[in-house]
Amino acid sequence: GIQVEQSPPDLILQEGANSTLRCNFSDSVNNLQWFHQNPWGQLINLFYIPSGTKQNGRLSATTVATERYSLLYISSSQTTDSGVYFCAVVGGTSYGKLTFGQGTILTVHP
Amino acid sequence: DARVTQTPRHKVTEMGQEVTMRCQPILGHNTVFWYRQTMMQGLELLAYFRNRAPLDDSGMPKDRFSAEMPDATLATLKIQPSEPRDSAVYFCASGNRAEQYFGPGTRLTVT
Repeated sequence: GIQVEQSPPDLILQEGANSTLRCNFSDSVNNLQWFHQNPWGQLINLFYIPSGTKQNGRLSATTVATERYSLLYISSSQTTDSGVYFCAVVGGTSYGKLTFGQGTILTVHP
Repeated sequence: DARVTQTPRHKVTEMGQEVTMRCQPILGHNTVFWYRQTMMQGLELLAYFRNRAPLDDSGMPKDRFSAEMPDATLATLKIQPSEPRDSAVYFCASGNRAEQYFGPGTRLTVT
């Protein structure tokens, strides 16, 4: 099946710093989503982005499907951005099944 | 504000007991998924339904797990008998061909 690798595994920032999270995948995808899992365990949809670039406030994402990677940018980070960021993809023959990466654990200190 | 709901939010049970988890998908979504999250395995798909028909349950231990969708507003995941290794957070998600939305999860502890 499709493989999803996220980097870095851990990231520690001071409030106000910017960061880039990366997601590499091993095959073509029909769907790519970024999620934030907050400290209460909820999975919050950030972006549905199988290709192209999207922005939502301080967050933006870019997927280059032909090169099999996606980037999540967080600008002016806040303590509420702490948590785990997951990239998840639906491979070309997976019929809707999301395969998740292992996540990036982000800690933002005040 | 449409969202996926799950009950119960927390469940503590003894080994050997039956556990039933319920999910109400977002109205109008035709695909419902069950995922499990553990520290060791991360997030993995257990089963999913499209238009209430089971499409894939290859991620589920068949001897003890069963998933059903008795109507368009209810999906259930049952474990019988439960074992300590089933302790995890179980998420339900729903969607329509593309983006999936997750419920808050059921945190299951089997002692």
